[in-house]
Amino acid sequence: DTGVSQNPRHKITKRGQNVTFRCDPISEHNRLYWYRQTLGQGPEFLTYFQNEAQLEKSRLLSDRFSAERPKGSFSTLEIQRTEQGDSAMYLCASSLLAGGFEQFFGPGTRLTVL
Amino acid sequence: AQKVTQAQTEISVVEKEDVTLDCVYETRDTTYYLFWYKQPPSGELVFLIRRNSFDEQNEISGRYSWNFQKSTSSFNFTITASQVVDSAVYFCALSEAGAGANNLFFGTGTRLTVIP
Repeated sequence: DTGVSQNPRHKITKRGQNVTFRCDPISEHNRLYWYRQTLGQGPEFLTYFQNEAQLEKSRLLSDRFSAERPKGSFSTLEIQRTEQGDSAMYLCASSLLAGGFEQFFGPGTRLTVL
Repeated sequence: AQKVTQAQTEISVVEKEDVTLDCVYETRDTTYYLFWYKQPPSGELVFLIRRNSFDEQNEISGRYSWNFQKSTSSFNFTITASQVVDSAVYFCALSEAGAGANNLFFGTGTRLTVIP
């Protein structure tokens, strides 16, 4: 399977705990995006990487959130001190470098904060 | 500011009926891209089509067709002879070429239910 993969698919945690999600993009894709989707809404942009550089962060990305993409391959998204409002589906997408190219999405990680 | 509006929250049709999903967008960029994605119950977003702002040709792919009209800032999606497998949430999205991230701005989606 050469699509975007994400792990874990589901995560249940208690408020205040830290969680980390992983995304493996399509191998030749330079750009990697993180989105968050809450119930009944479309995905909302969080941040993106071009190769290993994190070039933009949304205002939605509070200081409790951090993302990395070492060596421009897989990416991790960490949420520290989780809050109930963090409960959502976290989606990863990848695309080729040039603008306008379609983004291919992974299956997402559903986070539930109790 | 960019915005994508999908006014239809939910639509139900009987199998084999045609259905059109509406999308209206706002952007100040002259170069932009429009997309449709399908999100079936399994949850994974599936890319359907990309259209750039300079190409207003309508497109047909099997039972799917798209009508892009810059004059009305609309990019509507029609499914002909709908099938139960078409049941999903459909999202329209906009990407601005002038923005470095080229991230997607999504509408709130239209939930389509095809009744057998």
